Parts: sequence; structure tokens; C-alpha cells
Amino acid sequence: GQNIDQPTEMTATEGAIVQINCTYQTSGFNGLFWYQQHAGEAPTFLSYNVLDGLEEKGRFSSFLSRSKGYSYLLLKELQMKDSASYLCAVDDSNYQLIWGAGTKLIIKP
Amino acid sequence: ETGVTQTPRHLVMGMTNKKSLKCEQHLGHNAMYWYKQSAKKPLELMFVYNFKEQTENNSVPSRFSPECPNSSHLFLHLHTLQPEDSALYLCASSQEPPGQVYEQYFGPGTRLTVT
Repeated sequence: GQNIDQPTEMTATEGAIVQINCTYQTSGFNGLFWYQQHAGEAPTFLSYNVLDGLEEKGRFSSFLSRSKGYSYLLLKELQMKDSASYLCAVDDSNYQLIWGAGTKLIIKP
Repeated sequence: ETGVTQTPRHLVMGMTNKKSLKCEQHLGHNAMYWYKQSAKKPLELMFVYNFKEQTENNSVPSRFSPECPNSSHLFLHLHTLQPEDSALYLCASSQEPPGQVYEQYFGPGTRLTVT
């Protein structure tokens, strides 16, 4: 079956670094997405990986290993506004995204 | 208006009511989606429309009925819902070349409560 796993909740300190992991098992693979969703708001796109390796975009980076079915989102220099849920989703080559349940990230001062 | 808009933002309805959710995208995209988001569960894809044609219906109960009159507008008609249908309903759009999923732009959602 199709499955995306990510931790339910993580806590980190303002100014620190946090890594949110995502593992997937899907029938096909055509890319992996990370979205950010603040409470009560719409998900917004953060990153897309289709090839192995690290993609850096400012304070956020995303890594993919297709052979391991693994990705992570790395957030540096954490700010209070980074408190949100982070959703991992995989394009399973079947014209739709398979979504994880999301990781709620709590930032403490 | 810019991006993806949804109305209403909040809706409370009884199990015998009929209501409709509306979504409009101002991005010139060719694909639109309805998702259901329940607490601590993955986003559930309900329907996909590409160039106004429905391409996916993920075994959604018939009490949910989508309508896509043009590539900018998407409706979700609701009737005789159950309490377990209470959730956040999200609309999204994207520009899809054939055979691939691209970045999706989401609306703010409609928080639906069925009493």
C-alpha cells in the first residue's frame, strides 16, 4: 500500500536547527513535496525534490534519497513564525499526491 | 482577488440540509482539487478536475457532488451529510502538464461542522 510517515510533533528552540524526517512507500515516485501549514491557514509550498541530494532555499533545505525512500526538511535559525505543521507529500506517478499526516513543530523562546 | 479563494469560510449544517462550497482560482491554472483535512490525518484527495474534466474520484460518498463549470470555478455540493464529515475542506489549483503533479496552490478552506 501507499504510506507516508513523519513524526507527529517536534519541539525546538528559537535560533536552533531542526530536521523533520519523512519516509515513504509508494507504488511510483515522481517527486516529493514539502508544504508548511500555519494553524487555521492554507498549506503553502516550500520545496520539491525529484533527484537525490540537497536543495537549499534560504533558511530551509530539503534532502531526498530515493533508494531509501527518505526525505528530510532542515530548518535553520528557527524563528517563532516557523511554528506550524509541515506536510510531506509524494507524487506517486498516478496523477495525485500521497500526503503524510504532518509534523507539528513547536518553537520555544 | 488573487490566488485561490473559498466561500464560505465556516459552515454549520444539519444532516438534512443541502449546501454548496465554492472555490475560485485567479491563477490561470488548468487543474483544480478538493481535499478533506481531518485533525491529525493526512490530506484526503476527493476530486480532481483537469481542463474541466473530472479525472479522479477517490471513492467519495455520493453525498458529496463536485461541479466544475469552467477552469476557474469549482463547487462541492453537500447533502445529507454525517457528523464524521465535519472537517476542513480545502480547494487547490495547479498548472499540470500531462503525467505530472506540480506545485499546488491552496485556498484558505471551509471549516464544516455537521450537527
